[in-house]
Amino acid sequence: SYVPTQPPSVSVAPGKTARITCGGNNIGSKNVHWYQQKPGLAPVLVIYYDSDRPSGIPERFSGSNSGNTATLTISRVEAGDEADYYCQVWDSSSDRVFGGGTKLTVL
Amino acid sequence: QVQLVQSGAEVKKPGASLKVSCKASGYTFTSYGISWVRQAPGQGLEWMGWISVYNDNTNYAQNLQGRVTMTTDTSTSTAYMELRSLRSDDTAVYYCARDRGGNYGMDVWGQGTTVTVSS
Repeated sequence: SYVPTQPPSVSVAPGKTARITCGGNNIGSKNVHWYQQKPGLAPVLVIYYDSDRPSGIPERFSGSNSGNTATLTISRVEAGDEADYYCQVWDSSSDRVFGGGTKLTVL
Repeated sequence: QVQLVQSGAEVKKPGASLKVSCKASGYTFTSYGISWVRQAPGQGLEWMGWISVYNDNTNYAQNLQGRVTMTTDTSTSTAYMELRSLRSDDTAVYYCARDRGGNYGMDVWGQGTTVTVSS
């Protein structure tokens, strides 16, 4: 089965740019979505269809997907961005599957 | 506003069955599907399956095939997830999420239902 891989943790200073990756064989041919989850709360969709932003999500959040890597980029990181981030892949063979998650720490 | 409200916490014994409800409001229930996702304590998200509210088509995660059933009741705008033959490793928070299809992601989530399986 297809299992996307994420780094367990990423650290970034406030005001800098955080990049969280989601890797998998030919992931660029699949649809990738990203979720933010804060402790004790349900996940929130922050990017869908590789790079689209739902209404209400700041423009600081962006996504890209090519080759074997999809990337969630958070610009001008704020303390409130500290959370777990999950990629979710959809394709016709594996259906929906989540990556293992990345803990974003704001230093 | 668009929301999904789930049923309350449950404690079950191994071997028992579980049924969680997810009541939708604020949108046309039949225009979207529902995914179910669970999260074991301290672990990541696990997709369990998806149901089309429009025609009741289902796709289940391979590791849950035969133990899980997802249904909907359009008269009450409620989705249900039943899990049978519970084991201790089914202990998790269970979420429902609005899911239109593969291109759109899961854009609205329920608050979660905590399920504890213990003898």
